[in-house]
Amino acid sequence: DIQMTQSPSSLSASVGDRVTITCRASQDISNSLTWYQQKPGKAPKVLLYATSRLESEAPSRFSGSGSGTDYTLTISSLQPEDFATYYCQQYYSTPRTFGQGTKVEIK
Amino acid sequence: QVQLQESGPGLVKPSETLSLTCTVSGGSMSNYYWSWVRQPAGKGLEWIGRIYSSGSTNYNPSLKSRVTMSVDTSKNQFSLKVDSVTAADTAVYYCAREGGTVTVLFYWGQGTLVTVSS
Repeated sequence: DIQMTQSPSSLSASVGDRVTITCRASQDISNSLTWYQQKPGKAPKVLLYATSRLESEAPSRFSGSGSGTDYTLTISSLQPEDFATYYCQQYYSTPRTFGQGTKVEIK
Repeated sequence: QVQLQESGPGLVKPSETLSLTCTVSGGSMSNYYWSWVRQPAGKGLEWIGRIYSSGSTNYNPSLKSRVTMSVDTSKNQFSLKVDSVTAADTAVYYCAREGGTVTVLFYWGQGTLVTVSS
């Protein structure tokens, strides 16, 4: 199985801050990396896939980068509606595996 | 717009079988992978497995010996069974659909809480 290590596990930030979350795979996943946003009591929603492709309904302040084993989600200017938990997931192989999540909280 | 809805018992006794169904509306089931993901309260997401519209499956090795998935495209439904459940199987269970060419879980049900308790 490919292990996905996400960091940090939580962070506190203010509206307007730039936020970066990282995800490391235990092997090369060839950019087969997606980021989900999950709010309490709701199903996850895709923000980005193929490392950097923005899902149609996701705001442009979200961006992704990376290659090989190391990937990053960046929120350029944190908005109130962005306070949530974010998960990376590899879809390079089965079993699909998720990072442990990053909870973004209000500072 | 594709919509998915989980259904099934919210309470299952230890050692019994957890059974859930996902009903799909707003689109065809053909030529897609249909998945199950679970999330214990306050914890992260765990991929349980997936089934293609033809019936071929991929299961998470951590659950493989206890999991069975099936699909009934005539009813627009797919199902999950988990045998010999314990309290560790208590979670919100989501059904989801991958994209056609990009095998990311773009469409999700709202999730259903299954509690394992006597």
